Amino acid sequence: DTAVSQTPKYLVTQMGNDKSIKCEQNLGHDTMYWYKQDSKKFLKIMFSYNNKELIINETVPNRFSPKSPDKAHLNLHINSLELGDSAVYFCASSQGQTGLYEQYFGPGTRLTVT
Amino acid sequence: GNSVTQMEGPVTLSEEAFLTINCTYTATGYPSLFWYVQYPGEGLQLLLKATKADDKGSNKGFEATYRKETTSFHLEKGSVQVSDSAVYFCALNTGSNYQLIWGAGTKLIIKP
Repeated sequence: DTAVSQTPKYLVTQMGNDKSIKCEQNLGHDTMYWYKQDSKKFLKIMFSYNNKELIINETVPNRFSPKSPDKAHLNLHINSLELGDSAVYFCASSQGQTGLYEQYFGPGTRLTVT
Repeated sequence: GNSVTQMEGPVTLSEEAFLTINCTYTATGYPSLFWYVQYPGEGLQLLLKATKADDKGSNKGFEATYRKETTSFHLEKGSVQVSDSAVYFCALNTGSNYQLIWGAGTKLIIKP
């Protein structure tokens, strides 16, 4: 069974479109994250939820909106996509809300905006 | 502020060579330190960690020792394999906030 899953794995879309990425974890964890990884592999935290409550909201354009319908799911919706949004987006989860707990990453969603 | 600095990659080695990937940090208090690994086409996974000074984390033949005097957490392996080719990330957390502070990652290429 996959611990942290993301859909879709690949997403190719045009500028200006709206898209969503879904994430689910079956580990029973309370905390979930969204990261963006650029072409140079630099990793940037975007959001984190603990028990459906937003606890990290980094400087991210407000075109990005996370939604956590329950503890096991954290989705990312992106409005008005731009070329600079092209990246790999990773979902992760951890047992606790501080960075001391191991984070389990999904396989990533490669977003390409043309 | 808190930060992590890793040696720039790519690091290219032959199979069975000795590996060192340098990681130094700046942090207030007493952070916990981590190495995560990202194999091609996959998400990151925890490789090892150390939570206090002089602790040694180890896993899959990799080791790293938490050196407070030099604020370092260098990753080492005695004999690398082609399957170790990946991107390695050093990270820290001070325990007082919710997120990890990540290094920029170091790409490791092992040639047969």
